Amino acid sequence: DARVTQTPRDKVTEMGQEVTMRCQPILGHNTVFWYRQTMMQGLELLAYFRNRAPLDDSGMPKDRFSAEMPDATLATLKIQPSEPRDSAVYFCASGLGIKNTEAFFGQGTRLTVV
Amino acid sequence: AQKVTQAQTEISVVEKEDVTLDCVYETRDTTYYLFWYKQPPSGELVFLIRRNSFDEQNEISGRYSWNFQKSTSSFNFTITASQVVDSAVYFCALSGGTNDYKLSFGAGTTVTVRA
Repeated sequence: DARVTQTPRDKVTEMGQEVTMRCQPILGHNTVFWYRQTMMQGLELLAYFRNRAPLDDSGMPKDRFSAEMPDATLATLKIQPSEPRDSAVYFCASGLGIKNTEAFFGQGTRLTVV
Repeated sequence: AQKVTQAQTEISVVEKEDVTLDCVYETRDTTYYLFWYKQPPSGELVFLIRRNSFDEQNEISGRYSWNFQKSTSSFNFTITASQVVDSAVYFCALSGGTNDYKLSFGAGTTVTVRA
């Protein structure tokens, strides 16, 4: 049963600390997304990769967030330094295809910054 | 700009009742895609359906059915004979045009099915 795998599932950290979230997309998928879910903003796109190249990261606060794909089986989202307002559930999703593809989501990383 | 509106914040029904979730969208694109996702209490987002703007045929999958009407810019979702396991947050989403890679989500509708 192919699925997107995210680690960790839960993370509690102190303000100012670095946070790294990892995602293993479904094998063979060439698009990877990072979404953030909060009560206030709902689901927002943070970054989008196609064939490992970042094509859109306009949704990310550039000064503290960074997203990379070191290889086709790993995507990372880093926050440094973390702030309480970053508390949210971060979802990774992957898809097959270029346009208007359905995205398959992982279980999310619930981040709490205290 | 693309926008998805799910006016119903919460719906509560008793098991076996039918429940319809409304989704109204706005887009200037002539080609676009609509989606529904389910987010159960466990938290993951589960893909349910994708429809393109040229296919207005209604679709049925088991107890789920979807009604797409371009004239009213709506893509409504009905769960027939609801079950407790249907309790979840349901999201409608849209992609297309210059945003052909990203999903614009509605705010979601929380469905609670009581036994």
